[in-house]
Amino acid sequence: AQSVTQPDIHITVSEGASLELRCNYSYGATPYLFWYVQSPGQGLQLLLKYFSGDTLVQGIKGFEAEFKRSQSSFNLRKPSVHWSDAAEYFCAVGAIGGYSTLTFGKGTMLLVSP
Amino acid sequence: SAVISQKPSRDICQRGTSLTIQCQVDSQVTMMFWYRQQPGQSLTLIATANQGSEATYESGFVIDKFPISRPNLTFSTLTVSNMSPEDSSIYLCAFRGWNTEAFFGQGTRLTVV
Repeated sequence: AQSVTQPDIHITVSEGASLELRCNYSYGATPYLFWYVQSPGQGLQLLLKYFSGDTLVQGIKGFEAEFKRSQSSFNLRKPSVHWSDAAEYFCAVGAIGGYSTLTFGKGTMLLVSP
Repeated sequence: SAVISQKPSRDICQRGTSLTIQCQVDSQVTMMFWYRQQPGQSLTLIATANQGSEATYESGFVIDKFPISRPNLTFSTLTVSNMSPEDSSIYLCAFRGWNTEAFFGQGTRLTVV
C-alpha cells in the first residue's frame, strides 16, 4: 500500500530564513510525487511535481524539491521564506500514467515569524 | 490547465438535513474524486466517480450517506445526507488528467449545527 509521511506537524521559520519540509513516501513502483499548498479557506494549489528527469525540481513561488530514491524522500525547500508563505503544505504520491487518485500526507503547517 | 468550480463555498446546516455540493469542470474529464478534510487533518478520499457508472467508495464511506452523481464528463455532485456535527469538514472535488497532477475545486466548508 502506498503512504506518505510528513513528520513535522508544525514548523515555525523566521521571515527570510531558509525552509525545508520533509516528506517520505512508500510506493510499490516508480512514484509520481507532488507538493501542494493550502492557504486558509482555499483549495489546494500545486507547487511542483516530479516523476522523472532531473531529481531537483523547481516550482512556483521560489520552491524546489529534491527526489532521493535511496531515502524515499521528496523534501521541499525554499531559500528565503516570506510571510505570505504561511500555509499548510501537503506532499502526495500517485501512479505514473492513468487517472488514479493521489495519496496525501497529513500536512505540515508553516508559521512565519517576523 | 482546466478550471474546476465548486459550490457552495461554505454552508451552515441543521443536523438531520442534507447538502448537495456541485463541481463543474470546464473540460471533459474521465474520473472525478471527492475528498473530505476534517479540521486540522489531511485529505481523505471518499469516492471516485466515473461517468455512467456508480461511484466507487473507500472504506468507511457508504453510498447512503454520501450519494454521488456523475451525469456527464464535466459535472459531479456529492450529497452529504442526514448530517450530524461530525460531518463538519471541508469537502473537495478533484480530477486528474492523464499523467498529470490533481486539480482541485476551491472546497466547501460545511458546518453542521
